[in-house]
Amino acid sequence: NAGVTQTPKFQVLKTGQSMTLQCAQDMNHNSMYWYRQDPGMGLRLIYYSASEGTTDKGEVPNGYNVSRLNKREFSLRLESAAPSQTSVYFCASSVGGPGANVLTFGAGSRLTVL
Amino acid sequence: GENVEQHPSTLSVQEGDSAVIKCTYSDSASNYFPWYKQELGKGPQLIIDIRSNVGEKKDQRIAVTLNKTAKHFSLHITETQPEDSAVYFCAASRGAGSYQLTFGKGTKLSVIP
Repeated sequence: NAGVTQTPKFQVLKTGQSMTLQCAQDMNHNSMYWYRQDPGMGLRLIYYSASEGTTDKGEVPNGYNVSRLNKREFSLRLESAAPSQTSVYFCASSVGGPGANVLTFGAGSRLTVL
Repeated sequence: GENVEQHPSTLSVQEGDSAVIKCTYSDSASNYFPWYKQELGKGPQLIIDIRSNVGEKKDQRIAVTLNKTAKHFSLHITETQPEDSAVYFCAASRGAGSYQLTFGKGTKLSVIP
């Protein structure tokens, strides 16, 4: 049982380059999320998708776009990477909203922007 | 919006001792409070949660208490073991229907053998 799978695990970009982080879950969860984790800042929500076909902004959406490709997959795109986007990114999923359901997290993607 | 404060940021205990991590929240409408444990190189994993209709919940060596009047909740780990060493995050949400889960900044717990 794979759970939540994120790719790539590590990536180094130059300022201005673009990239997409991929996330897939095999638990038939309805909701998916992208968080970023910075030292001393905890986990902050970037975007979420409550259900297939919907996406909404979280706390720190600027500089990011997302696509809910289907029920299983939720991607995060950086169109023009900036050093401030250096972070560890976590994808998560849940049956419903995190206010009543457990979040299952992936192992994370460490992104460095030079 | 919700603001969750978590203390301490680091905590070292001797193996076998107890550890307590405390969180406060600002939104009186919050009613769901989970705790996540993050081991090195892994994603966070839920270890226990509590809803506002109960004051305490236990699961083996782990317990969580909630004081809604004071808007604070705490994680208690008894008989700590080296495998308890990790970063712990508290969080708060308005419950069912809410997609905003606000996390504290984390506590790095080190259990010294």
